[in-house]
Parts: sequence; structure tokens; C-alpha cells
Amino acid sequence: EAAVTQSPRNKVAVTGGKVTLSCNQTNNHNNMYWYRQDTGHGLRLIHYSYGAGSTEKGDIPDGYKASRPSQENFSLILELATPSQTSVYFCASGDGFSYEQYFGPGTRLTVL
Amino acid sequence: QQKVQQSPESLSVPEGGMASLNCTSSDRNFQYFWWYRQHSGEGPKALMSIFSDGDKKEGRFTAHLNKASLHVSLHIRDSQPSDSALYFCAASEPNVGDNSKLIWGLGTSLVVNP
Repeated sequence: EAAVTQSPRNKVAVTGGKVTLSCNQTNNHNNMYWYRQDTGHGLRLIHYSYGAGSTEKGDIPDGYKASRPSQENFSLILELATPSQTSVYFCASGDGFSYEQYFGPGTRLTVL
Repeated sequence: QQKVQQSPESLSVPEGGMASLNCTSSDRNFQYFWWYRQHSGEGPKALMSIFSDGDKKEGRFTAHLNKASLHVSLHIRDSQPSDSALYFCAASEPNVGDNSKLIWGLGTSLVVNP
């Protein structure tokens, strides 16, 4: 079965600090995604990637950067974290053909 | 405006009962639909997909799609406490170059009472 892991699982950051969330997938999927989940907003797409070296803006990219250095790894970077970025972040991978996405366990980020 | 709308927001059914979840798209380009399930503390997991008009059955789960009305439903027969979760409907456009993005509803929270 597809395996997507995320680290850290929990993170407390200070306002203005830099935060990096990491995601690793072992299914050799071309596509990877970063979402945030907040009550009342469902899943919102932040950035996604079609393969190593590519990143695309999703629906809410402001305040976030993404990096895809390899097929397996996809990072989400908050250069200047703000309290409004407190959320649960999910990484997912997909083969790009079946529309099915495989999600990681999530990272709970709190920005104080 | 939310392009994929789900109802109800929350639903409570007794163990052994039938749970019915609804999803409607406002965009006629969305013709592929997915149901995902998310247990508390976990990431969402694909439950089933439906692309053709009519019913699709997988065990206790039946999805129904009506393309004319852009309405898809999920029915869970003989509901179990382990079915308690947040259920998402997601939609996508077929035959588009960028075929990897899903448009998500806000979810229906299902509680199955023992």
C-alpha cells in the first residue's frame, strides 16, 4: 500500500520564525500535494508538484513556499510564520492518472 | 461559492442503521467523483470513486451518481461505530491536461451510536 510520511507530527513555532514541514513518499508517484485543514474550510490546496524540481501554486499559496528536490520528498516552507498559519497540514501523493490521492498522517502546527 | 457542496454537515445514526450522505457540484465540468473518509487524528483515505451514472457497490458502501443533476450520494448499510468519521466528497474534470487536482467539499461528520 502507498506510504506517505510526514515530519514533524507536531510543531510549535514563534511568530516570524521559519518552519519547514517535510513529506516523504515511497510509492514512486509523480504528483505530490500540500493541504491545510481547518474547521469549516475542509481541505485547501497550498502547493503541488508534478515531479522533482517542479512546484505549482494551489488555491491558497500566499505565505508558503514549496520545494521538491526529489521524487520522494516534498517540503512546505513558512518563511515568516504567522498565527493564522496555525493548522493541520497534510501531504499527499498521487500518480496523476487515477485521481486517487494518498495522504500522510498530518502535521499539527501551532504558531504562537 | 463552494463548487462541491456536501450535506448534511453532520449526521448521527444508530449502529446497524443506514447512513446517507449527499454531494452536489455546481460545475458541469466536474464529472469524476470520489468519496474519502477521515478518522480522527488520521489523514483522509480514498473510499470509492464513481465516474458513470448509476450505482456502484463496494461491500456495505454504495455510491450513486446522477450526472444530469451533478448529484452523488454515498449510502452506508449496516453502519458500524468504526464508520464514525469525516466523509469528504471530491470532484475532478476528466480529460484535462492538469488531471491531478481534486476539488473538495467541506465534509460530513458521521457518528454511529452503539
